[in-house]
Amino acid sequence: QKEVEQDPGPLSVPEGAIVSLNCTYSNSAFQYFMWYRQYSRKGPELLMYTYSSGNKEDGRFTAQVDKSSKYISLFIRDSQPSDSATYLCAMINTGGFKTIFGAGTRLFVKA
Amino acid sequence: ETGVTQSPTHLIKTRGQQVTLRCSSQSGHNTVSWYQQALGQGPQFIFQYYREEENGRGNFPPRFSGLQFPNYSSELNVNALELDDSALYLCASSLEASDSTDTQYFGPGTRLTVL
Repeated sequence: QKEVEQDPGPLSVPEGAIVSLNCTYSNSAFQYFMWYRQYSRKGPELLMYTYSSGNKEDGRFTAQVDKSSKYISLFIRDSQPSDSATYLCAMINTGGFKTIFGAGTRLFVKA
Repeated sequence: ETGVTQSPTHLIKTRGQQVTLRCSSQSGHNTVSWYQQALGQGPQFIFQYYREEENGRGNFPPRFSGLQFPNYSSELNVNALELDDSALYLCASSLEASDSTDTQYFGPGTRLTVL
């Protein structure tokens, strides 16, 4: 079993839809949770970072962490064609240096 | 753009050969991490260098090695290439290794194909 599970999709939605992306994990030592966006032929770029449980909002993006369920989510409101990319969840242990990534979910937002 | 550059963009090698991939970090970033991203997968951590010393390694064999130089450049070397080494290799720089919450800035990657 992988430490981090993420549905690879693809996920196709119409412009303006609310998108929900999710990951589950097995290692209870993970404390730092991140979402990266990766466009084709580019490296990942950090979108959201959350420490421990709770919600964090940044513009159209909301990250949620539920440590009791070992489940994290990223919500994208009013999705745009420019949001079409692969979204990667990532996690780090407390005091750790190794970032563990999910497989990524490919998102297509249709105009 | 993140300010992290990688060269070459693409590379084709044959099984058994050796390869060196290069990365130029953001100025002032003392930490560089290398990742392997197979097609359709997330990046997998190879190792991390902090101030020219390796300070952490993932589940990769010793034929994967690295160097970090004082001028914020670094190298990933892979010996005895295997077909499964075909992937996108990413480097990421960050300020300090001691704080795992430091934002990592990724380069665009080097696409390695092993035939």
